[in-house]
Amino acid sequence: DAKTTQPPSMDCAEGRAANLPCNHSTISGNEYVYWYRQIHSQGPQYIIHGLKNNETNEMASLIITEDRKSSTLILPHATLRDTAVYYCIVRVGENGQNFVFGPGTRLSVLP
Amino acid sequence: NAGVTQTPKFQVLKTGQSMTLQCAQDMNHEYMSWYRQDPGMGLRLIHYSVGAGITDQGEVPNGYNVSRSTTEDFPLRLLSAAPSQTSVYFCASSHGGPGNTIYFGEGSWLTVV
Repeated sequence: DAKTTQPPSMDCAEGRAANLPCNHSTISGNEYVYWYRQIHSQGPQYIIHGLKNNETNEMASLIITEDRKSSTLILPHATLRDTAVYYCIVRVGENGQNFVFGPGTRLSVLP
Repeated sequence: NAGVTQTPKFQVLKTGQSMTLQCAQDMNHEYMSWYRQDPGMGLRLIHYSVGAGITDQGEVPNGYNVSRSTTEDFPLRLLSAAPSQTSVYFCASSHGGPGNTIYFGEGSWLTVV
């Protein structure tokens, strides 16, 4: 199963873009990359996902390298409420039914 | 639309007791799963189901049982609670296929003393 590697923590100034990197060098061709975040110990909240193309939604942008070995989550204008643990996850399983979580990146947005 | 609903939110058990964590979803999702999260760690898969009547083990299945008699419900049973099972438990569901979003419940906090 593909695994991901993320920095344990990052800081970002309020109003600036937060760029969260993730390495997934063993990802397979049909495995999606998902990003979730968790505020305190609430249920993980979906942010965005992609296969090989860059993706954008109302919350964030996802940039996936051409070789798919790494990706970056971009929060364009971070706010204090974006302080959370961010998980980069590869969806695995015969039908892609499960997630393999790493410890994630703790993002602190500073005033 | 309630999404994924877990009960109870908080529970304290004595070692050796049994209990069931309930999970229900109203999105007609085929896939349901249970994860546990220990302090400072990511979520780990306990058991999962790809449809009614079908279940399988995840990464940390020991000490837990599951069944899936309906599409909507996926209860997690602790057979004989141990302090090592003190954790936060999350239920999740999704439609089949790797490109479909997985939705998580708000968690059940379990303490075994």
